[in-house]
Amino acid sequence: SQQGEEDPQALSIQEGENATMNCSYKTSINNLQWYRQNSGRGLVHLILIRSNEREKHSGRLRVTLDTSKKSSSLLITASRAADTASYFCATVLPYGNNRLAFGKGNQVVVIP
Amino acid sequence: KAGVTQTPRYLIKTRGQQVTLSCSPISGHRSVSWYQQTPGQGLQFLFEYFSETQRNKGNFPGRFSGRQFSNSRSEMNVSTLELGDSALYLCASSPTQRNTEAFFGQGTRLTVV
Repeated sequence: SQQGEEDPQALSIQEGENATMNCSYKTSINNLQWYRQNSGRGLVHLILIRSNEREKHSGRLRVTLDTSKKSSSLLITASRAADTASYFCATVLPYGNNRLAFGKGNQVVVIP
Repeated sequence: KAGVTQTPRYLIKTRGQQVTLSCSPISGHRSVSWYQQTPGQGLQFLFEYFSETQRNKGNFPGRFSGRQFSNSRSEMNVSTLELGDSALYLCASSPTQRNTEAFFGQGTRLTVV
């Protein structure tokens, strides 16, 4: 079964606006990661947040993690047309491996 | 540094045939994982290899197999292809054997007719 599960919403926003996506999961994790995918191509790693961290920033990205609610959010600030993509969260269980359990993804369209 | 390279990029096969996909990880990376992506099931984990040993296997039938060579390059094989095997197959490499980010290749688009 899927571990990470994003809110299954397609998001359409204007360039310059912020985009927020949510992800929930079911079991304990070692870390949670966000990836971006453009048009059925390979995934690009965006950010990794460990289970003992609550918030992390990388450029225009801000990720939060609430382990008590088993949820995470990804915020993209000041969106650009190039941010148009599918975004996936993925969890890693605390068993010491690299196996990623992906959610179903969020399609984000940024309108210029 | 060269990224993860997957070959071929596109493949069309007939039901019942078998197929081998190849993945060259980033130099120095010893962990290689494979994922299947379909519109219906999303991204699903197939298996992970580290130092030529399979460390994890997803919930796929025995028709799906893989291996890793001493230079960390990996192959996956699907025998007796079914229409439902049509998918984007993604390979990812990681620098260590645990809890790190994954670097993905561009994938192999397999179509079974």
